[in-house]
Amino acid sequence: GAVVSQHPSWVICKSGTSVKIECRSLDFQATTMFWYRQFPKQSLMLMATSNEGSKATYEQGVEKDKFLINHASLTLSTLTVTSAHPEDSSFYICSAVATAGGFTDTQYFGPGTRLTVL
Amino acid sequence: GDSVTQMEGPVTLSEEAFLTINCTYTATGYPSLFWYVQYPGEGLQLLLKATKADDKGSNKGFEATYRKETTSFHLEKGSVQVSDSAVYFCALKNTNAGKSTFGDGTTLTVKP
Repeated sequence: GAVVSQHPSWVICKSGTSVKIECRSLDFQATTMFWYRQFPKQSLMLMATSNEGSKATYEQGVEKDKFLINHASLTLSTLTVTSAHPEDSSFYICSAVATAGGFTDTQYFGPGTRLTVL
Repeated sequence: GDSVTQMEGPVTLSEEAFLTINCTYTATGYPSLFWYVQYPGEGLQLLLKATKADDKGSNKGFEATYRKETTSFHLEKGSVQVSDSAVYFCALKNTNAGKSTFGDGTTLTVKP
């Protein structure tokens, strides 16, 4: 149990376009999802905390207008990178915390999405 | 604030060697502690966890003991395999549904 999926697994786009990444909890409900960014050979950088039905909480230094997060249901959160530029190229990882079933203190991670902006 | 300090890598071992990756933490209260593993090109997978002092988490031959007196959660494995090559992250979480604090990760390479 506790599977989190991400789609797409990789995407290549042109500079100036927008890209949407989906994060789904497949077999549990998640009131909270997290979005991370990971640069090569570096740790995870938390970008924002996404709560179902409310606005996301962004970490300091993360542009909320550039990285739009929507958490419309208990099983889906989306991250949209608007007007992407080459410096946005990175590995984006989401995670979800279950609301019940004894999982409440464990984050389950998606497999990540590799974004390359040309 | 909360913080996690991991042993710097990279770590290179021969197959069947003993592994220790050190992890110490600073936190208020009584956090849960985790080890995650990330294989190349993939997301993080939970390896093991411990939720209170003196708990031992174990999985796939790896184990770590929550030591409150030394604020540590060192990861150990008695005999590593080539397939254990990955990046290992130590993390803590202070509240349910709250965000986790991660260490910088330690890259392990196991050579045959």
